Amino acid sequence: QKEVEQNSGPLSVPEGAIASLNCTYSDRVSQSFFWYRQYSGKSPELIMSIYSNGDKEDGRFTAQLNKASQYVSLLIRDSQPSDSATYLCAVRGSARQLTFGSGTQLTVLP
Amino acid sequence: GAVVSQHPSRVICKSGTSVKIECRSLDFQATTMFWYRQFPKQSLMLMATSNEGSKATYEQGVEKDKFLINHASLTLSTLTVTSAHPEDSSFYICSAAGGVWTANTEAFFGQGTRLTVV
Repeated sequence: QKEVEQNSGPLSVPEGAIASLNCTYSDRVSQSFFWYRQYSGKSPELIMSIYSNGDKEDGRFTAQLNKASQYVSLLIRDSQPSDSATYLCAVRGSARQLTFGSGTQLTVLP
Repeated sequence: GAVVSQHPSRVICKSGTSVKIECRSLDFQATTMFWYRQFPKQSLMLMATSNEGSKATYEQGVEKDKFLINHASLTLSTLTVTSAHPEDSSFYICSAAGGVWTANTEAFFGQGTRLTVV
């Protein structure tokens, strides 16, 4: 069983729509949760981090965490073509290293 | 955020040779560094974790004698791929974190190195 799973892509949304990205994790003691965006050929860049249950908003991005369901999501409002990338969910438990999901490729259609 | 510089960004080497990749934290002291490998269309896989002045901890399945990691200073870690073969061709990415470690500690990524072994 994979430790971090993301909804299968690719995901396509029209410009201006809401893109919803989902992630589940298996380790109940996970403490920190991150969403990264990765453009082709580039290294990941951090979009959001979330540590407690509930929603966290930053501009057009909202991360949602539900530890009871072991679920974390990322919503992108007013999606733009520049948001087209692969989105990686990463989870950190008691150890220092991050465990990454396989990524969801998002395409925002003009 | 903090800046992590990785060099080179691209390297092509002949099979059997060794390649060194550098990862520098430019504006903070990196007490912990992580090295990842990413094959096409796949996610990042952790290779090893190193703390300054200590031997690196390698993930299962990663050959420590083939992938030599040195973290001799608080601003520099190196990954040397020894006797590289075409199957080692991949995107190698470092990540660095500093300060006292907490659950909220953020690790910053370098730009990545595209290694091609011919």
